[in-house]
Amino acid sequence: DAKTTQPTSMDCAEGRAANLPCNHSTISGNEYVYWYRQIHSQGPQYIIHGLKNNETNEMASLIITEDRKSSTLILPHATLRDTAVYYCIVRYSGGYQKVTFGTGTKLQVIP
Amino acid sequence: GAGVSQSPSNKVTEKGKDVELRCDPISGHTALYWYRQSLGQGLEFLIYFQGNSAPDKSGLPSDRFSAERTGGSVSTLTIQRTQQEDSAVYLCASSPRTGGGEKLFFGSGTQLSVL
Repeated sequence: DAKTTQPTSMDCAEGRAANLPCNHSTISGNEYVYWYRQIHSQGPQYIIHGLKNNETNEMASLIITEDRKSSTLILPHATLRDTAVYYCIVRYSGGYQKVTFGTGTKLQVIP
Repeated sequence: GAGVSQSPSNKVTEKGKDVELRCDPISGHTALYWYRQSLGQGLEFLIYFQGNSAPDKSGLPSDRFSAERTGGSVSTLTIQRTQQEDSAVYLCASSPRTGGGEKLFFGSGTQLSVL
């Protein structure tokens, strides 16, 4: 997997948008960007993924820069239950490939 | 439908004993992954199974660790002669196919404590 870099931790006020950045400057053309989160004591949970275009689902939005070297996960109205570690990973669109996770960003939503 | 199931949820063992951890993936999922997560740390990749292909064992930390997947479904992670540093949460994940667009679905993990 291409390497990703994320800030170690971030705070966000409850009700405000949480914007979590991820750098993936060595991403190749057929690699997708995936986001997962891990709430304390639980297994990681898939959030969203994308290739080139911005994506939105019921959980979040994913903004990918035009050069694809970075992306931002947006939680539009953060709640206390969004406090978690957020992982950004990249992986190829085909082939036999393991999935490795970095250390992620610890998001603390503050009341 | 049922998600990824791991058993036991907690396992306490004595140093030097062997342990087996079980993972039941979602039915029909061809890919299966094992990860280890020590307290306060990120996910450490251990091993990856994809269909009938040879598994990617590149993350196994020592020859005390092994895993098998029978019939392309259930997987067992075995740790022989456990050590205290093996204490961690062991997570299993499955995904429906290889290639882009597939998501990993994780189980709740097995908390292993080696005394």
